[in-house]
Amino acid sequence: LAKTTQPISMDSYEGQEVNITCSHNNIATNDYITWYQQFPSQGPRFIIQGYKTKVTNEVASLFIPADRKSSTLSLPRVSLSDTAVYYCLTTGGFKTIFGAGTRLFVKA
Amino acid sequence: GAVVSQHPSRVICKSGTSVKIECRSLDFQATTMFWYRQFPKQSLMLMATSNEGSKATYEQGVEKDKFLINHASLTLSTLTVTSAHPEDSSFYICSAVQSSYNEQFFGPGTRLTVL
Repeated sequence: LAKTTQPISMDSYEGQEVNITCSHNNIATNDYITWYQQFPSQGPRFIIQGYKTKVTNEVASLFIPADRKSSTLSLPRVSLSDTAVYYCLTTGGFKTIFGAGTRLFVKA
Repeated sequence: GAVVSQHPSRVICKSGTSVKIECRSLDFQATTMFWYRQFPKQSLMLMATSNEGSKATYEQGVEKDKFLINHASLTLSTLTVTSAHPEDSSFYICSAVQSSYNEQFFGPGTRLTVL
């Protein structure tokens, strides 16, 4: 499974767009890219998943360049409740290895 | 969406006792379940992969005789921490995979404190 690298932490203000980039240089052909959100003392919550180009759902967008060696999670207009740890993972064959994640802190 | 539950949500036990944690997929059948452990301020660490009806596959460094995993049905997997010690205190999280989808659904976690 491809190892992922993300910034350790990020700060933002309410109402701003937040982009978190993840690198996964050794991603396998069959792997998807999945992002999870985790609040303290809770299990991770699925945000979005994609294979290539762009995926958008009601909470986020995921941008994946053609070489798939990186991906960017975009959170539009964050609020205080978006303060959490965000994990980028490459998922293939179900087994999932979590990286260190990005701790996002949204300020008022 | 798919729901995964864990029971208990938190447990406190004495050193040397065994603790069982249940993981259930409530509205789907899960052929594969995963168990993770998470220490404070750290990421989730995969402990083992559990497939219904077969022995669990443990990650390197995880003692299979200490962390007993049973996946007897398509909706239930259990993790038993045997002879628990304070260093086993952690947040244990399970996840379940719905066979048709490439997505894991995570449980809410179980906080284990060993005194």
